[in-house]
Amino acid sequence: DQQVKQNSPSLSVQEGRISILNCDYTNSMFDYFLWYKKYPAEGPTFLISISSIKDKNEDGRFTVFLNKSAKHLSLHIVPSQPGDSAVYFCAASRGGANSKLTFGKGITLSVRP
Amino acid sequence: GAGVSQSPSNKVTEKGKDVELRCDPISGHTALYWYRQSLGQGLEFLIYFQGNSAPDKSGLPSDRFSAERTGGSVSTLTIQRTQQEDSAVYLCASSQGGPSNTGELFFGEGSRLTVL
Repeated sequence: DQQVKQNSPSLSVQEGRISILNCDYTNSMFDYFLWYKKYPAEGPTFLISISSIKDKNEDGRFTVFLNKSAKHLSLHIVPSQPGDSAVYFCAASRGGANSKLTFGKGITLSVRP
Repeated sequence: GAGVSQSPSNKVTEKGKDVELRCDPISGHTALYWYRQSLGQGLEFLIYFQGNSAPDKSGLPSDRFSAERTGGSVSTLTIQRTQQEDSAVYLCASSQGGPSNTGELFFGEGSRLTVL
């Protein structure tokens, strides 16, 4: 039972354009959401997070949007850069920031120069 | 280094053998997690240690899997009688824990296990 779903396995965008990575979840008890980025042969690294009390969080080129009614969040990267090419994992937890994370399967983003 | 350290980075073993994977978390981090990533899959939660509390073992796939965390620091994940489906990258992560925790996990580079 996949509680965090990233239904698109891959995305390719042109450098300078916007990348939109989507994530859906089924567990309404989730109240904290994070995005991680993973390069080959490296561990995932934290990118950005959002609490369920917010609907938007922005950090530089990265913005995460949360739609609780739709149980949907998205990561926007603008402008996209070739160095953004990586696998992006959506993760969620219940019970605040101290709880274990449930991850999606990841989306492979390719940014074309 | 200051990051999460895992060893070995690669392990090839024969079916039926036992393996131990080690994780050194970031100093001072009270929470430690083990995840695994099988080919084409996401990160699958295995076990979670938080301070002196009883670990959350709900993600361990079978009783062949066990983990310990000694002295609140180093952790060892043990897989007994390995099977081919155990082949995966095993990732350890740590976090600060506590009320100020942002939820950010710091991951090691993983231990790639291949069971022949």
